Amino acid sequence: NAGVTQTPKFQVLKTGQSMTLQCAQDMNHEYMSWYRQDPGMGLRLIHYSVGAGITDQGEVPNGYNVSRSTTEDFPLRLLSAAPSQTSVYFCASSPRPEVSEQFFGPGTRLTVL
Amino acid sequence: QQPVQSPQAVILREGEDAVINCSSSKALYSVHWYRQKHGEAPVFLMILLKGGEQKGHEKISASFNEKKQQSSLYLTASQLSYSGTYFCGTAGAGSYQLTFGKGTKLSVIP
Repeated sequence: NAGVTQTPKFQVLKTGQSMTLQCAQDMNHEYMSWYRQDPGMGLRLIHYSVGAGITDQGEVPNGYNVSRSTTEDFPLRLLSAAPSQTSVYFCASSPRPEVSEQFFGPGTRLTVL
Repeated sequence: QQPVQSPQAVILREGEDAVINCSSSKALYSVHWYRQKHGEAPVFLMILLKGGEQKGHEKISASFNEKKQQSSLYLTASQLSYSGTYFCGTAGAGSYQLTFGKGTKLSVIP
């Protein structure tokens, strides 16, 4: 099992550019989520999904878009990148988030100039 | 609302003990603990559920005070490998959202 995979590992964007961060898991977990991590702020939830076709907003959803067409994949789209979106992004999956371990991907370090 | 962790940072010598606290203003169903080393993803340590059930590593201990909505992580006889940032995450009943605190940075020195 590969677990949770994320691509790319590093990305540099210019303000206004768009891009998609990829996340995939091979554990057949219904729940997937995206977090951003900024120094001193901990992990903040951006969007989450409880199954294919079902997504919802977390604490900091503005500027991001998600969709879930399959159980395995949960891409995160930056519509028009801003310097405030410079961060490390983690994708995670879990059978049931409130009672189960969350499995994190290795992260994507994004810099917006 | 993020749970509040204390202390923000702590330095220990090998063999010393430490306690990390996590407090929430909301009614909790579960408390989760993760450790993250620099440049890596968070790694699961333990879950504490309302009602007393615990899941996690045998060498880690923690408590969950349901009345006070507080949890504590106990690190005993610390080793160099315990260094990292510890995060607590909290979830309400029926919630799909796990909300993390800002973290406690633990440094263990020889």
